[in-house]
Amino acid sequence: LAKTTQPISMDSYEGQEVNITCSHNNIATNDYITWYQQFPSQGPRFIIQGYKTKVTNEVASLFIPADRKSSTLSLPRVSLSDTAVYYCLVGDDGAGKSTFGDGTTLTVKP
Amino acid sequence: DVKVTQSSRYLVKRTGEKVFLECVQDMDHENMFWYRQDPGLGLRLIYFSYDVKMKEKGDIPEGYSVSREKKERFSLILESASTNQTSMYLCASSFKVLASYNEQFFGPGTRLTVL
Repeated sequence: LAKTTQPISMDSYEGQEVNITCSHNNIATNDYITWYQQFPSQGPRFIIQGYKTKVTNEVASLFIPADRKSSTLSLPRVSLSDTAVYYCLVGDDGAGKSTFGDGTTLTVKP
Repeated sequence: DVKVTQSSRYLVKRTGEKVFLECVQDMDHENMFWYRQDPGLGLRLIYFSYDVKMKEKGDIPEGYSVSREKKERFSLILESASTNQTSMYLCASSFKVLASYNEQFFGPGTRLTVL
């Protein structure tokens, strides 16, 4: 399974754009890249998923370069409520198994 | 909305006890997962199941077993609880579609303390 590496923590201020990068050098051809958000005392929640290039939804954007060895989650104009742990997940659901990274704790300050 | 429920939010057990953690999902998902989450270690996969009576070991299966007798229910069993199994346990479920990825839906978690 592809291992992932993320920064342990990041700080930001309200209204700023935040970019969190995940490295996954051993990503396999069938692997998708998915990001989850987790608040304290809750289970993780799906944010966005992609395979290549760029994906955007109402919450975030996901940028994946051509070699797919890394990906960047972009959160536009963060607010205090975006303070959470963000996990990068790489895997192939054909095997029903994926690997979570260690997560990035994002702290948004007023 | 998909709902994944776990039998307890908090549980306190003694060393050597047999512990059952139950997880139920209501979306007819094929895949179900058990993770543990510890500070600084992220989420680690213990076991997963892609069908009734089927199970696969995850990254840290030692000291655990699982049971999936019905599609909607996935149980995690600690045969003889130890203090190093004190952790947050998270259950998740997803559809199974080959050669793609499907969103995992997580339960609220069970915080288990083994004394």
